[in-house]
Amino acid sequence: DAKTTQPNSMESNEEEPVHLPCNHSTISGTDYIHWYRQLPSQGPEYVIHGLTSNVNNRMASLAIAEDRKSSTLILHRATLRDAAVYYCILIRWGGGSEKLVFGKGTKLTVNP
Amino acid sequence: NAGVTQTPKFQVLKTGQSMTLQCAQDMNHEYMSWYRQDPGMGLRLIHYSVGAGITDQGEVPNGYNVSRSTTEDFPLRLLSAAPSQTSVYFCASRQGPTYEQYFGPGTRLTVT
Repeated sequence: DAKTTQPNSMESNEEEPVHLPCNHSTISGTDYIHWYRQLPSQGPEYVIHGLTSNVNNRMASLAIAEDRKSSTLILHRATLRDAAVYYCILIRWGGGSEKLVFGKGTKLTVNP
Repeated sequence: NAGVTQTPKFQVLKTGQSMTLQCAQDMNHEYMSWYRQDPGMGLRLIHYSVGAGITDQGEVPNGYNVSRSTTEDFPLRLLSAAPSQTSVYFCASRQGPTYEQYFGPGTRLTVT
């Protein structure tokens, strides 16, 4: 599976936008970019995913670079409940995605 | 839908004891996985299954067995518990290889 690289930690203030980066320079054409987050003492939860175009849902937006070698998860107005560890992973269509590998992710701290 | 359920929530074992962590999902998902998460670490894949009767090893399979006799259930067996298996265990399921993954609430296991 292609590897992703994320910063260990980031900090934001409440009600400000947050941009969480992810590098995936070895991404292939059939790799989907998925984001998950894990709140303290909970299991991870799905946030958003995309292939080539930018995506929006009720939780966040996903901006994908034109060459697809990086992506950014955008939380438009951070709340204290968004404090979590955010994981960026690649999932390949057409096989090889039986195993999902989660790295250490980015720990987001939101200051009141 | 209950989603992904795990029992028990907490368990304390003595070294050498055996036990089974239960995982069930009611979403008719083909893919199921077991992860363990140690303090300050990301998730590590133990075993996974792509359908009833089909299982395979993940990153850290030693000391654990799984079986998948039905679509709904994916139990994880610890054959002879060791202190190194003290961790939080998460079960997850998804509809297919590129679909979002749903996680259970976790089982916190302590081996003394």
